[in-house]
Amino acid sequence: NAGVTQTPKFRVLKTGQSMTLLCAQDMNHEYMYWYRQDPGMGLRLIHYSVGEGTTAKGEVPDGYNVSRLKKQNFLLGLESAAPSQTSVYFCASSYSTGEGPQETQYFGPGTRLLVL
Amino acid sequence: AQSVSQHNHHVILSEAASLELGCNYSYGGTVNLFWYVQYPGQHLQLLLKYFSGDPLVKGIKGFEAEFIKSKFSFNLRKPSVQWSDTAEYFCAVRPGRGSTLGRLYFGRGTQLTVWP
Repeated sequence: NAGVTQTPKFRVLKTGQSMTLLCAQDMNHEYMYWYRQDPGMGLRLIHYSVGEGTTAKGEVPDGYNVSRLKKQNFLLGLESAAPSQTSVYFCASSYSTGEGPQETQYFGPGTRLLVL
Repeated sequence: AQSVSQHNHHVILSEAASLELGCNYSYGGTVNLFWYVQYPGQHLQLLLKYFSGDPLVKGIKGFEAEFIKSKFSFNLRKPSVQWSDTAEYFCAVRPGRGSTLGRLYFGRGTQLTVWP
């Protein structure tokens, strides 16, 4: 299994440009998440999905949109990039939100985004 | 709102020194607790987790953590650190019930630097 993969690994954008980050998982997980990581801020949840065709807002959703058309993919879109969106973006997935042992979130390798 | 506090932002130790990283959370109900580690240039990896049972949990690479419910704490420990433990460590909390649907709340992270 490849686990959780993210593309691209690195991208430079100009202010106002748009782009889509792709997350893919091959573990048949129902739940997927997008986080951003900023120095001194830890990881903050942007959007998440509890299943194919469903998405929900996290802590910092403004300026981002997501889609979950297929169970294995979770896309994060920036319609009009801003310098404040310069960050490292991590995707994660998990199998269950019950209280059993499958709660662990598995993280992708991250995408470094620089917005000029 | 849920919050996770990591009191130490940067810890510097010599090899063989003992380590304790503090983590406190604000949620009063049932929780699942995690420590993740991020080595330089890599994605987050699960170090250990607590769901129920013995409050002293052991993880990979000689790490352990103790859940003290009365103190809302989940401190990470290692009796003797190595240079290879240099990384950023994140505490995370998942409320056990309610509408959070598996969401993790991360602390801001503690950067550990171990000098050889």
